Amino acid sequence: GESVGLHLPTLSVQEGDNSIINCAYSNSASDYFIWYKQESGKGPQFIIDIRSNMDKRQGQRVTVLLNKTVKHLSLQIAATQPGDSAVYFCATGGGNKLTFGTGTQLKVEL
Amino acid sequence: NAGVTQTPKFQVLKTGQSMTLQCAQDMNHEYMSWYRQDPGMGLRLIHYSVGAGITDQGEVPNGYNVSRSTTEDFPLRLLSAAPSQTSVYFCASSPGGLLYEQYFGPGTRLTVT
Repeated sequence: GESVGLHLPTLSVQEGDNSIINCAYSNSASDYFIWYKQESGKGPQFIIDIRSNMDKRQGQRVTVLLNKTVKHLSLQIAATQPGDSAVYFCATGGGNKLTFGTGTQLKVEL
Repeated sequence: NAGVTQTPKFQVLKTGQSMTLQCAQDMNHEYMSWYRQDPGMGLRLIHYSVGAGITDQGEVPNGYNVSRSTTEDFPLRLLSAAPSQTSVYFCASSPGGLLYEQYFGPGTRLTVT
């Protein structure tokens, strides 16, 4: 079946460094990709999305890169701050289906 | 705007009991959905609605019912609770549908004993 997996369950970074969270997907027909942030005890919060006609999209301190050839998606967070500590997960979709990954716990060390 | 609100925040049920999880949004979104989140798994879609009076099944609909009488409200009913329904439930709404930014509520943590 279809799968979406994050490469690392946990990522630790120093405050001020850049963070890169990676996601691999299996369905080559996916044409929509999205990243969410989930803080402990809260609902997921939208970060950024990208469609398959693009390979890069930037937001405020975040960049999503899409490599359709190897079915890989990454989220880059610039100048990571303590408030960025959370679980980050990606989701990929197409047609009437959206598949969520399990998440990477980002820990920001002071 | 309050966004997406859910009640209750926590609930404990005995096997066989029924209950309704409430969800409301004040953003006038046509699309609303219910997900469950279990340890080690990604969010899974239970039911969704593309507008008042229209609902459809998601990936894991068994044991759950929904209705959508207004744009604002989208309650989820557990008909006869089972321990396998122990989970965290999230309601979401979106201005553009499934493949679009979704706004999630704070969640309901349900335990079935």
